Amino acid sequence: GDSVTQMEGPVTLSEEAFLTINCTYTATGYPSLFWYVQYPGEGLQLLLKATKADDKGSNKGFEATYRKETTSFHLEKGSVQVSDSAVYFCALNRRQAGTALIFGKGTTLSVSS
Amino acid sequence: AAGVIQSPRHLIKEKRETATLKCYPIPRHDTVYWYQQGPGQDPQFLISFYEKMQSDKGSIPDRFSAQQFSDYHSELNMSSLELGDSALYFCASTILRSPYYEQYFGPGTRLTVT
Repeated sequence: GDSVTQMEGPVTLSEEAFLTINCTYTATGYPSLFWYVQYPGEGLQLLLKATKADDKGSNKGFEATYRKETTSFHLEKGSVQVSDSAVYFCALNRRQAGTALIFGKGTTLSVSS
Repeated sequence: AAGVIQSPRHLIKEKRETATLKCYPIPRHDTVYWYQQGPGQDPQFLISFYEKMQSDKGSIPDRFSAQQFSDYHSELNMSSLELGDSALYFCASTILRSPYYEQYFGPGTRLTVT
């Protein structure tokens, strides 16, 4: 079945460091790919999305490119801030009405000043 | 912009009691999803509805039921609550015409079963 694998955390960085969180997926066809962020005690916020090969999703300085050949969707940010500390989830869906999002296990990012 | 609304935000119940969680999707969104998230876990899909019909079903216990109403809001009914049902319950919504089928999540209901 479809699945998402993302790097285990926690990831601990200093402010202004470069961030990469790896995400790979297994799916038939062409799923949509997403990154969600969850701040402590809050719900999941859609961070960025991509729907086809070589699509680049971007938002708030974060970027991820849909790589069909490597089945990957790695999240990157050039300079992290303390306020980026959160749990990041990579996810996919099969682009059909009502079908579930399949999440990775989540990666906790902690940024210190 | 309007977001998904969930109520209540917090709920404390005793074992064997029942609970009802409500979800109001973003206006014009026609598809609603329910997820359960345990501490330190990723969200697990429970059930979804499109145009008031059940669309997909995940790991929802038989003790739970859900429905979507004519105004598109949804309710998750949970009976014979167990300690293991303590979790965050999220509702998400999407609009069928979106090419991404991205889901927008509500703030969640934190259910504590004692």
